[in-house]
Amino acid sequence: EIVLTQSPGTLSLSPGERATLSCRASQIFSSTYLAWYQQKPGQAPRLLIYGASSRAAGLPDRFSGSGSGTDFTLTISRLEPEDFAVYYCQHYGSSPRTFGQGTKVEIK
Amino acid sequence: QVQLQESGPGLVKPSETLSLTCTVSGYSITSGYYWGWIRQPPGKGLEWIGSIYHSGSTYYNPALKSRVTISVDTSKNQFSLKLSSVTAADTAVYYCARDNSGYAARWGQGTLVTVSS
Repeated sequence: EIVLTQSPGTLSLSPGERATLSCRASQIFSSTYLAWYQQKPGQAPRLLIYGASSRAAGLPDRFSGSGSGTDFTLTISRLEPEDFAVYYCQHYGSSPRTFGQGTKVEIK
Repeated sequence: QVQLQESGPGLVKPSETLSLTCTVSGYSITSGYYWGWIRQPPGKGLEWIGSIYHSGSTYYNPALKSRVTISVDTSKNQFSLKLSSVTAADTAVYYCARDNSGYAARWGQGTLVTVSS
């Protein structure tokens, strides 16, 4: 089973700042199979990125994904008020599909 | 615009079977994609339970496989989850989702199922 470890657990930033979220895997897998989601309180998660770097339809271009091997990154270039949320990475290249434990991006 | 809506009991007794249905609108499930279930215990992270194709082909999380059955009813454009022998550890928000070759592209709003006597 591939274990995904996200860091930091909590990121305290101000609107307009850059957010860099990390997702590290316990073993190498193809970047084709890495997704990122955003979840706000009381809501279902929302797909942001798939294939490590492909944006979901309608996603603002301030969101970008990158990485390969075991290290993947979600970057939000300039935080908007609506971006403060919890972010999860997920791998789906093998069974079981697993999620990271999440990174909370909070307003500083 | 595809929409998904979960339905089912919000309270299940320990050792009984949890049953949920997801109704898909705006898209025919026979047109493609797998359709899946994901859960999230209160205050915790996400766990993929399993997925099904309209033909009946399934993917199950090995950790839950012995207790999970996912089925599809194409005539109603629905798919369903059954989880047997539930315990308090199965208390969670259960989401149905469109499975795009492994990631969840569209999600239902989720439904909280509590396991308690």
